[in-house]
Amino acid sequence: QSVLTQPPSASGTPGQRVTISCSGSSSNIGSNYVYWYQQLPGTAPKLLIYRNNQRPSGVPDRFSGSKSGTSASLAISGLRSEDEADYYCAAWDDSLSGPVVFGGGTKLTVL
Amino acid sequence: QVQLQESGPGLVKPSQTLSLTCTVSGGSISSGSYYWSWIRQPAGKGLEWIGRIYTSGSTNYNPSLKSRVTISVDTSKNQFSLKLSSVTAADTAVYYCARDPSGDLPLDWGQGTLVTVSS
Repeated sequence: QSVLTQPPSASGTPGQRVTISCSGSSSNIGSNYVYWYQQLPGTAPKLLIYRNNQRPSGVPDRFSGSKSGTSASLAISGLRSEDEADYYCAAWDDSLSGPVVFGGGTKLTVL
Repeated sequence: QVQLQESGPGLVKPSQTLSLTCTVSGGSISSGSYYWSWIRQPAGKGLEWIGRIYTSGSTNYNPSLKSRVTISVDTSKNQFSLKLSSVTAADTAVYYCARDPSGDLPLDWGQGTLVTVSS
C-alpha cells in the first residue's frame, strides 16, 4: 500500500491529452513539492517533473505538472507511442512514513 | 555528465547482509551540493526509497528499513555503499543508486542491479 495514491492504469490514443493523478495528504503533497518519474520498460526511472511543475533540461514541454492541495497531476499532451511507460509520483513526507514516499505507479498505454 | 553504476552480488542468502556499491564517474562525489540515494523496486512493483547520504556523512533512512540499513560514502574511491542486514525474500528487487540535487529528489540514476535473496 503506497502512501501516495495513483490509478493503476491510464490510456489514450496518439495525439490525445491524458492526465495521471496522485493523491496524498497534508504531510506530503500538501506541504512539499511533487516529483514525477517516467519508467520505460526495463530501464531506470527518469525525472520528468520536479518541484510540482518544473521540467529538467531535455524533457519536452508536452509534459506538465500541477498541484492543488493534497493532490497533483501529470498531463501529457500530443500523446506518442513512445510515452507508453510507467509513471510514478513522489514527494517528501514530514510524517513517520517519510522522508520520501512514492506512488504505486500508473501504467500508461497508448492505444 | 555524471554516471552511476551499481555493483555487488546478485544472489544473497536469507538472513545474510546485502552489500552494494555505487561508483560515480564524470564528477567528484564530494563536489557540489548533492545527496546520494538508494531506491529499490521488486519485480512488477513500484519504487521504494531506501535512504540517502550527504558527503558530510549525514544520512536519512526509510523508517520501515532503518533498523537494517546502513549507507556510507568513500570519497577517496568516489563511491557510496548500501548494506541491508537480515535479508529475506521480500528484499529481492532491482536496486538503484541515484544522485539528488540538494533539496530535490533523485535526478540522475544508475541502471540498476538485480539482487535475489534465496538459499
